[in-house]
Amino acid sequence: TQLLEQSPQFLSIQEGENLTVYCNSSSVFSSLQWYRQEPGEGPVLLVTVVTGGEVKKLKRLTFQFGDARKDSSLHITAAQPGDTGLYLCAGAHSNYQLIWGAGTKLIIKP
Amino acid sequence: NAGVTQTPKFRILKIGQSMTLQCAQDMNHNYMYWYRQDPGMGLKLIYYSVGAGITDKGEVPNGYNVSRSTTEDFPLRLELAAPSQTSVYFCASSYKTSTDTQYFGPGTRLTVL
Repeated sequence: TQLLEQSPQFLSIQEGENLTVYCNSSSVFSSLQWYRQEPGEGPVLLVTVVTGGEVKKLKRLTFQFGDARKDSSLHITAAQPGDTGLYLCAGAHSNYQLIWGAGTKLIIKP
Repeated sequence: NAGVTQTPKFRILKIGQSMTLQCAQDMNHNYMYWYRQDPGMGLKLIYYSVGAGITDKGEVPNGYNVSRSTTEDFPLRLELAAPSQTSVYFCASSYKTSTDTQYFGPGTRLTVL
């Protein structure tokens, strides 16, 4: 069974602080996606990383795919209350299925 | 475009009852998925479909059935509901494969008592 482990499971920080969320596996993925989910809604895609070592930036969010394509990180600079949500990573294992992490619940306090 | 729509939004079932969760998408996507999300457990794939008339099991298919008679609709059927099926159910669709963006519906919160 392929697993994607996310850490930390829960993070509560003050507005303006920086944070990093990790997504790790012993398996190699062809690509990895990061989603954000708000309460009562479905996940929404933030970014897809495909190449080992790839770095993508989305405003204050920086996503990195590990060189071996087994892990990924999400770094948020100067977190804002609007960043609050559940962050999910998902690795592409086959053409039809994604392997999902359990998520990191992030709360940014004003 | 409405995207992916799901009905109902909430439902309470008694043990042994049956129901169908509806899902529709208007993006002409070939691929559709049903997931369940339990607290702290991430998303588990129940069934998926790669096109009308084609469905296949995901990671946790027991107790569920699906059909895909049209590109737009992908209903999920629960037969003989059990407390273990209490969860939030999400339908999603994507254009080509799982490496494409998956678009999710708002979810159905199901409680089995």
